[in-house]
Amino acid sequence: SQKIEQNSEALNIQEGKTATLTCNYTNYSPAYLQWYRQDPGRGPVFLLLIRENEKEKRKERLKVTFDTTLKQSLFHITASQPADSATYLCALDKDNDMRFGAGTRLTVKP
Amino acid sequence: EAGVAQSPRYKIIEKRQSVAFWCNPISGHATLYWYQQILGQGPKLLIQFQNNGVVDDSQLPKDRFSAERLKGVDSTLKIQPAKLEDSAVYLCASSLREGMTEAFFGQGTRLTVV
Repeated sequence: SQKIEQNSEALNIQEGKTATLTCNYTNYSPAYLQWYRQDPGRGPVFLLLIRENEKEKRKERLKVTFDTTLKQSLFHITASQPADSATYLCALDKDNDMRFGAGTRLTVKP
Repeated sequence: EAGVAQSPRYKIIEKRQSVAFWCNPISGHATLYWYQQILGQGPKLLIQFQNNGVVDDSQLPKDRFSAERLKGVDSTLKIQPAKLEDSAVYLCASSLREGMTEAFFGQGTRLTVV
């Protein structure tokens, strides 16, 4: 069966460090992958999209990699700040509809 | 640009009652999604519309859930009758077109079934 797995439920890091979140998938052949941020009581907010033919994408302090051989995407936040604390969700397309992983809750401590 | 609007924001009902949620997507967005998010889990796709046609409803419990998107604009999701396990946040999202585009989410409707 198709699965999207995010590495851990929670990740705690110190301010200024780089946070690395993992998204693994099985039995998918996604054309692209997206990352979203979700704050408590709010809907997810789009961060980055990476296509299957792209290895890496950057936006300010964010970096996403996409390895279709390993079936894995890594999401990095450099120079993390307490304001980056949130749940981060990866989403894959399946026949043009979006399926989400369970998310990783990131806490950045001052 | 106005975002995705959802109402109500909160709803508490008794089991076996019915409930309806409303969504108004961003103007011009052809694709509309309804997701169910249970506490601590990621959003689960219930149904996807492309304009006013259903693209995917494979995970919609059709014995109790129904959705429509009249005129390819706003949409309603109904549950009848509700069960305790339907307690969740129901998120509506829209995107410009199918595939490879970002989705914009509303704030969601938090449903509690008692």
